[in-house]
Amino acid sequence: DTEVTQTPKHLVMGMTNKKSLKCEQHMGHRAMYWYKQKAKKPPELMFVYSYEKLSINESVPSRFSPECPNSSLLNLHLHALQPEDSALYLCASSQPRGLAVYNEQFFGPGTRLTVL
Amino acid sequence: ELKVEQNPLFLSMQEGKNYTIYCNYSTTSDRLYWYRQDPGKSLESLFVLLSNGAVKQEGRLMASLDTKARLSTLHITAAVHDLSATYFCAVEEAPRAGTSGSRLTFGEGTQLTVNP
Repeated sequence: DTEVTQTPKHLVMGMTNKKSLKCEQHMGHRAMYWYKQKAKKPPELMFVYSYEKLSINESVPSRFSPECPNSSLLNLHLHALQPEDSALYLCASSQPRGLAVYNEQFFGPGTRLTVL
Repeated sequence: ELKVEQNPLFLSMQEGKNYTIYCNYSTTSDRLYWYRQDPGKSLESLFVLLSNGAVKQEGRLMASLDTKARLSTLHITAAVHDLSATYFCAVEEAPRAGTSGSRLTFGEGTQLTVNP
């Protein structure tokens, strides 16, 4: 299985809602990532988990809360979002640097989030 | 701070023609990736370039890396309509102290349209 899956595909939420995005990979990768992508822009890194520990937080607002329950799963908990947070949220996985020659990141299909 | 510049940002070309997309980056790196993104879709990995002088080819696309010039190119040969998409280069920074995840910085993307 060489796939990264994400649920849901689409999410519409109000500014007072709490929701979660889910990501799963079965490639045996030990690093997982969350990216945010606005329309016509490149992906922007939000968080990196390596060996199930938060390795990088790119100064993301606390209304986004990541969680890595195990090596295959990555969640992004959302609370009190703003309309400007509407975007495509992409999950990716790879081997951590040093564990493999290639650290190529494989991306999931994304969750399109709309905040009303 | 690593900066990645792609040019052109928009490219409209006729089927059968050749063209090159350029990716310049500002700091030393030995790992560069090319991704393709179709509208509304996720990113598909095209090439992984790991060392100076690396050249990879797949079908009508060929990518190269010159780490001394901090330049990668994506050459399109005899373009066909199916190649219409947005192409991103992404440069991997060496892990910072205390981290093991890989940090990718993406170029702005080149929106390629191939016309019949």
